[in-house]
Amino acid sequence: DSGVTQTPKHLITATGQRVTLRCSPRSGDLSVYWYQQSLDQGLQFLIQYYNGEERAKGNILERFSAQQFPDLHSELNLSSLELGDSALYFCASSASVGADTQYFGPGTRLTVL
Amino acid sequence: AQSVAQPEDQVNVAEGNPLTVKCTYSVSGNPYLFWYVQYPNRGLQFLLKYITGDNLVKGSYGFEAEFNKSQTSFHLKKPSALVSDSALYFCAVRGSGTYKYIFGTGTRLKVLA
Repeated sequence: DSGVTQTPKHLITATGQRVTLRCSPRSGDLSVYWYQQSLDQGLQFLIQYYNGEERAKGNILERFSAQQFPDLHSELNLSSLELGDSALYFCASSASVGADTQYFGPGTRLTVL
Repeated sequence: AQSVAQPEDQVNVAEGNPLTVKCTYSVSGNPYLFWYVQYPNRGLQFLLKYITGDNLVKGSYGFEAEFNKSQTSFHLKKPSALVSDSALYFCAVRGSGTYKYIFGTGTRLKVLA
């Protein structure tokens, strides 16, 4: 158990809908990362927050957004969902930014029908 | 632009034999290099990292990796493979001038009894 929690574990929804994925980092970790893992794209870095501030942006679509709240939990919002958004979404946390080890949560499996 | 390559989709090795999983990278500035392992239906787990210092890095579960600056490689090795090492292995890199992490496409390691 990495100490990172993600909810929900599974999510099934329809095209055009909007969903919110939630992540609680390990106790004491200030950085949160979001990743998308799909069969055809591999593991893609989406976005990183550090202590509430966006620190780095990867291949995140404009339909997706994220935020980190004062209690350090983070949410990833996915809107206008398409079939191709079906994937495993991982959250990871680390103590700070940079060279720190990332601890991954168990993931949320999103299925868009 | 940053990139990381894992040239082998799958590596098969007999139990007790040494194993190598290859990784090459391209970044601006000094590289921060990581190896993670993913077991079925689980999040990624940290194995080891290279930040600076000794080119040979030792990590969890008997794994090690050698940083080779001239060849821009960071191959993962283990002297004696176990069946329980069978999993998906990811190499990741971050350049010193960015907070974006790039993950390789993963190499599936299969250790045969």
